[in-house]
Amino acid sequence: AQSVAQPEDQVNVAEGNPLTVKCTYSVSGNPYLFWYVQYPNRGLQFLLKYITGDNLVKGSYGFEAEFNKSQTSFHLKKPSALVSDSALYFCAVSSPWGGSYIPTFGRGTSLIVHP
Amino acid sequence: DGGITQSPKYLFRKEGQNVTLSCEQNLNHDAMYWYRQDPGQGLRLIYYSQIVNDFQKGDIAEGYSVSREKKESFPLTVTSAQKNPTAFYLCASSIGQGPGTGELFFGEGSRLTVL
Repeated sequence: AQSVAQPEDQVNVAEGNPLTVKCTYSVSGNPYLFWYVQYPNRGLQFLLKYITGDNLVKGSYGFEAEFNKSQTSFHLKKPSALVSDSALYFCAVSSPWGGSYIPTFGRGTSLIVHP
Repeated sequence: DGGITQSPKYLFRKEGQNVTLSCEQNLNHDAMYWYRQDPGQGLRLIYYSQIVNDFQKGDIAEGYSVSREKKESFPLTVTSAQKNPTAFYLCASSIGQGPGTGELFFGEGSRLTVL
């Protein structure tokens, strides 16, 4: 079975400071990893993904994530947070080889950026 | 523009009534999904379909039914057997199997409230 853990229900950061939203995963075989963002009462929007290759993945709105195989992590980062980044962030994993191609989502982390 | 359309956005239902949520996509995607979102629980998979006229149960299929008669459409019926149907329902699609799997495109969601 595949699973995702987002250990923080909420992350608070001041505008202009760097932000990190944590994600760890468990899967058989090589993972596909994803980050999505959700604004209130809206659907999820894709931010970025790791399939293979460079461990540092760059995505939309200045976000990036680093794949760390030894720590089974895929933390989301941004060098300088904006108030408009405040939203709910979901990490997801799929594994077409050893697990399921259907992504499993974490519980979500609420990011609050203070002015 | 291509995308996924869910309707209605808000729906109220009396106990004991069935209700059908619509999901239409014009992305030419093979796979479609229904997720349920409850506060603090992330996204839970209800049903998914990889191809027309075929669908599979997800983790929480009890009390729900679906059909996939056309590639573009994947309606979800919440039946009276669903004991706690009040939730935010999200429809998604993806290109199916292969490297693009797990990258989902979401609709804007339907919020169902049982009175």
